[in-house]
Amino acid sequence: EAQVTQNPRYLITVTGKKLTVTCSQNMNHEYMSWYRQDPGLGLRQIYYSMNVEVTDKGDVPEGYKVSRKEKRNFPLILESPSPNQTSLYFCASSLNREHEQYFGPGTRLTVT
Amino acid sequence: GNSVTQMEGPVTLSEEAFLTINCTYTATGYPSLFWYVQYPGEGLQLLLKATKADDKGSNKGFEATYRKETTSFHLEKGSVQVSDSAVYFCALSPFSGGYNKLIFGAGTRLAVHP
Repeated sequence: EAQVTQNPRYLITVTGKKLTVTCSQNMNHEYMSWYRQDPGLGLRQIYYSMNVEVTDKGDVPEGYKVSRKEKRNFPLILESPSPNQTSLYFCASSLNREHEQYFGPGTRLTVT
Repeated sequence: GNSVTQMEGPVTLSEEAFLTINCTYTATGYPSLFWYVQYPGEGLQLLLKATKADDKGSNKGFEATYRKETTSFHLEKGSVQVSDSAVYFCALSPFSGGYNKLIFGAGTRLAVHP
């Protein structure tokens, strides 16, 4: 089944403790992206990647890192999480920029 | 800059009622417009799209027409079902025909009661 998977689905952590949220797609898509969803703000793009080893900032990149060492994986790294990063995070992928984005199920992160 | 404004929810309707969710946008050039739907506990799914002025996107009984003169892309459905209960997001891509670099509205929650 074609899908985008994220792990973990739920995470509660403390301020400053490094964490990684994994994202994997099995559709051989070139383009991958991370969004955060906050009430009243919709989804905002954090980082995106056009292909392996090619990443760029979205609209709200501060406090996040990403890497794209393999085509199927695009992990989101929070080196020193803070409470304002408490949010619902979505990974998405598409064949390329001309095609529909497929979204993962989301990761709900709480930073205390 | 580019932005999307949606009507605030929640929208509460009885089954078989007519649905309209308003969406207006600000963009330079010729953006593509989208409606995404998010069912409880799931990621977003593309519901419909329109890539140029006067295009009508449609899917599952939902429709939206790209109106450049009013910069609008309102979502409509003639008869809603309980299964349509979800959050609906209007979005634009600044690149004509492109799907990435999506800019989303805040979302409108729809609740349909039997």
